[in-house]
Amino acid sequence: GAGVSQSPRYKVAKRGQDVALRCDPISGHVSLFWYQQALGQGPEFLTYFQNEAQLDKSGLPSDRFFAERPEGSVSTLKIQRTQQEDSAVYLCASSLVSEQFFGPGTRLTVL
Amino acid sequence: AQSVTQLDSQVPVFEEAPVELRCNYSSSVSVYLFWYVQYPNQGLQLLLKYLSGSTLVKGINGFEAEFNKSQTSFHLRKPSVHISDTAEYFCAPGGSGGSEKLVFGKGTKLTVNP
Repeated sequence: GAGVSQSPRYKVAKRGQDVALRCDPISGHVSLFWYQQALGQGPEFLTYFQNEAQLDKSGLPSDRFFAERPEGSVSTLKIQRTQQEDSAVYLCASSLVSEQFFGPGTRLTVL
Repeated sequence: AQSVTQLDSQVPVFEEAPVELRCNYSSSVSVYLFWYVQYPNQGLQLLLKYLSGSTLVKGINGFEAEFNKSQTSFHLRKPSVHISDTAEYFCAPGGSGGSEKLVFGKGTKLTVNP
């Protein structure tokens, strides 16, 4: 079956621009996670949904970051007024029980 | 809060040699433990996981790991590596609730040379 998909795969934004990153989880997976992976680092947790409820957003670095999952399936991570330090790969993962399945990520470059 | 330490940032080995990638975590509660592999420009793929039961866990591609509660370690091993094992490896404890966030180490870059 289809895995987790993310779009776009690559995004170049000018500083100050708003961006939206999409995640399509595996069908039926209740939990959805967003992680940020800076160059040469391990992924860092951003936020977690169970169905449409955002249960943990403790990892969002600032109020410029916003995530939603309105119908409990597709999720969007939005970054407003992008800064250079936002440049990273943004990974989405979904899970049903214990194992998280990761998408290929969106590489965001802020110029 | 959970934390995880991957003791080696880079591990170079020759093909067909054994390898051990070290991981230590700190947690006062029961955790699930995972090893993920990341090939260049790709997402993370699960190698193996420890949820409960036997402390020796076998995963894909011939990898295995041993959970040691007293030493809070979960080292990854393979008796004979291939060129295709060259990748970044991440250790990650997860919440005992199952569908909770993973805390990733900084990763170990395994390079297998011919």
